[in-house]
Amino acid sequence: QVQLQESGPGLVKPSETLSLTCSVSGGSISSYYWTWIRQSPGKGLEWIGNIYYSGSTKYNPSLQSRLTISIDTSKNQFSLKLSSVTAADTAVYYCARDRGMTMIAGDFYYYGMDVWGQGTTVTVSS
Amino acid sequence: EIVLTQSPATLSLSPGERATLSCRASQSVSSYLAWYQQKPGQAPRLLIYHASNRATGIPARFSGSGSGTDFTLTISSLEPEDFAVYYCQQRSNWPPYTFGQGTKLEIK
Repeated sequence: QVQLQESGPGLVKPSETLSLTCSVSGGSISSYYWTWIRQSPGKGLEWIGNIYYSGSTKYNPSLQSRLTISIDTSKNQFSLKLSSVTAADTAVYYCARDRGMTMIAGDFYYYGMDVWGQGTTVTVSS
Repeated sequence: EIVLTQSPATLSLSPGERATLSCRASQSVSSYLAWYQQKPGQAPRLLIYHASNRATGIPARFSGSGSGTDFTLTISSLEPEDFAVYYCQQRSNWPPYTFGQGTKLEIK
């Protein structure tokens, strides 16, 4: 079955760029939407953005000016870069597969985010 | 941005009881709503997609209902492993695809 694994530095200095990669195994990245979500300590879930396998992206407007999500289908990976980080960006970062919308019998169905990585903790601190 | 409001924030029940969790959207999301379960130290797990469809491997005691702005997740008879935090999430036309703030289901 498809598995996701986040990787990247656990500590980033303020004003620097946070870079994470999600490796997809057990299946191809060449379909579906690939998503980043984060969870600040003791808080709820925040949708960061996603990328379709074709390369088109959608970002959270609150992060858009600092955010880049990219995909490398040859490596079965997708990545997140968040620039000018502050302590407010300290969180557990998850990658997930979003199956998006599928049309069935004339109606769209939303299939949810059905595969998640285990999450990686990123702390922003000097 | 569509805001999802979950209630109650905390629900205290005993094993065997029925749990009813609510999610209200600030504007219609049709049926483009999913529910997730999160246990401490773990990633969220998809329970329900398209408002009322159980994801693969999810027990039949979990059910979802609703459309438009009002949604409900029901657990018919609580098992010890069901005590966790539950989130709803919408996927409307435009990002961000927001989550609710969560309902913590705790053992009474």
